[in-house]
Amino acid sequence: QKEVEQNSGPLSVPEGAIASLNCTYSDRGSQSFFWYRQYSGKSPELIMSIYSNGDKEDGRFTAQLNKASQYVSLLIRDSQPSDSATYLCAVNRDSSASKIIFGSGTRLSIRP
Amino acid sequence: DGGITQSPKYLFRKEGQNVTLSCEQNLNHDAMYWYRQDPGQGLRLIYYSQIVNDFQKGDIAEGYSVSREKKESFPLTVTSAQKNPTAFYLCASSIGATVQETQYFGPGTRLLVL
Repeated sequence: QKEVEQNSGPLSVPEGAIASLNCTYSDRGSQSFFWYRQYSGKSPELIMSIYSNGDKEDGRFTAQLNKASQYVSLLIRDSQPSDSATYLCAVNRDSSASKIIFGSGTRLSIRP
Repeated sequence: DGGITQSPKYLFRKEGQNVTLSCEQNLNHDAMYWYRQDPGQGLRLIYYSQIVNDFQKGDIAEGYSVSREKKESFPLTVTSAQKNPTAFYLCASSIGATVQETQYFGPGTRLLVL
């Protein structure tokens, strides 16, 4: 079992709709969860971080964390073509943020 | 202008050659990291450093070496022992190395083997 699992996609969503990206993790002791966006050929950029169960909203983005079920999700409302990218889920391992493990990413495509 | 810089943007390595990738940050971050990304894959941790003059191996350290002589610099050497070095190399830094610290990435170096 991979430590952090994501559906590789591509996930195709019409412009203006809600895109839902999911991630599951294996380490029950994980405490920090991150979503990064990566455009083709570029480096990852942080979208959201979440540390407590529940929802965290930032503009069009909402991160959801459920530690009991070991999953974290990212919702993108009013999807725009500029949201087309690969989204990487990252989870800390052990008790150190130095050991963050990344999923392989979900490729999101927003169709006009 | 604060940030993380990596150079060069593209690097070509000949068989049996050691090459060094540069990573510099002016964010006054204590912790720095090196990751490798292969096509269609996530990032894998090569080495990390939580403080000057100290560093630890990540998951795929074989064939790589690092140094951390200055807080702002964390160069990565890809040695001839790394048999499959072609990849996108990403340097990151964080304020510290506690559980809730966010890692921020440089623009990356793409290494190709001739």
